[in-house]
Amino acid sequence: LAKTTQPISMDSYEGQEVNITCSHNNIATNDYITWYQQFPSQGPRFIIQGYKTKVTNEVASLFIPADRKSSTLSLPRVSLSDTAVYYCLVGERMNQGGKLIFGQGTELSVKP
Amino acid sequence: EPEVTQTPSHQVTQMGQEVILRCVPISNHLYFYWYRQILGQKVEFLVSFYNNEISEKSEIFDDQFSVERPDGSNFTLKIRSTKLEDSAMYFCASSDQFFGPGTRLTVL
Repeated sequence: LAKTTQPISMDSYEGQEVNITCSHNNIATNDYITWYQQFPSQGPRFIIQGYKTKVTNEVASLFIPADRKSSTLSLPRVSLSDTAVYYCLVGERMNQGGKLIFGQGTELSVKP
Repeated sequence: EPEVTQTPSHQVTQMGQEVILRCVPISNHLYFYWYRQILGQKVEFLVSFYNNEISEKSEIFDDQFSVERPDGSNFTLKIRSTKLEDSAMYFCASSDQFFGPGTRLTVL
């Protein structure tokens, strides 16, 4: 499984756009990139998954360059409630039965 | 939105006791998982379950652990003889998208 590296922590202010970058130099051809969010004392929550280029949903955008060795999760106009740990994972496409390997994640702190 | 439920939300037990953590996954899903998170550490995979049997397990999931889906609805994790180091949040997941709220297990 490809290892991921992401910043340990980030600070932001309400209303700003936050970009969290993850590097995954050893990503395999069949690997997808998936991001999860976790609030304290809660289970991880799926945010977005992508394979290449750009994916957008109602919560976030995921930018993946052509070489796929990194990816950037973009959260538009964050609010205090976006304070959480964000995990970048690389592995199987959703719903294929694979396990998830979590790293330490990025602790995002949104300030007023 | 469908959700995964877990009971109890908190469990306190004495070392050496057996505990059963319960989960109700999403009914039409095929893959179920248990993960744990020790306080301040990362989320760790324990076991995956498909078609009424274990499909993969981690090194953490030793003989003290077992899982079953007794009635096609509940999905349980049993720890036969708890140790202090089993204290953690235990998360059930239904497919890889839907995690439950967790059970906080404290072993004294």
